[in-house]
Amino acid sequence: SYVLTQPPSVSVAPRETATITCGGDNIGSKSVHWYQQKPGQAPVLVVYDNRDRPSGIPERFSGSNSGDTATLTISRVEAGDEADYYCQVWDSISDGVFGGGTKLTVL
Amino acid sequence: QVHLVQSGAEVRRPGSSVKVSCKSSGAIPSSYAIVWVRQAPGHGLEWMGRIIPMFGIGNYVQKFQGRVTITADRSTNTAYMELSSLKSEDTAVYYCSRGLLGSLRLDPWGQGTLVTVSS
Repeated sequence: SYVLTQPPSVSVAPRETATITCGGDNIGSKSVHWYQQKPGQAPVLVVYDNRDRPSGIPERFSGSNSGDTATLTISRVEAGDEADYYCQVWDSISDGVFGGGTKLTVL
Repeated sequence: QVHLVQSGAEVRRPGSSVKVSCKSSGAIPSSYAIVWVRQAPGHGLEWMGRIIPMFGIGNYVQKFQGRVTITADRSTNTAYMELSSLKSEDTAVYYCSRGLLGSLRLDPWGQGTLVTVSS
């Protein structure tokens, strides 16, 4: 089955840039989606198809994908960005796959 | 803007079954699936399976095959996820979401349904 690997935690100071990675075998050939989940809430799509943003998501959220690593970048981090972030792809054999999630802490 | 509303929390005994519903505010086009994802307490998201309501055929990940059944009622724009032979490890919040075929990005999500399995 296809496996996505994320760091368990990332910490960043306010107004700095947070980078969350998602590793997978040749993930650059797949479309990667990113979700934000705050405690007690359902996940929310923040980046889709590697780099596109749904309406209502700030431009501070951006994504990239190449080789074996996809990246979610959050610029000018705010306290309200503190949450768990999950990457996800669709694989023809495994169907949908999520990464293990990364807890973003704003210092 | 489509909204998904799920049924309320459930408590079940080990060995029993549970059926969770997910009602869409509008019809689901043939280019979308309804996907079910679960999240055990303190854990990450886990893909369970999906259905294209227009065609009514469920697709399940291997871990849940034989225990999960996903169905859809087009007349009421409602999808269902039934999980049988429940174990304590099935205690989780169960989410439905709409997935675009081809990439299966999930948006929007239902509010989640807590299923507690306890004797």
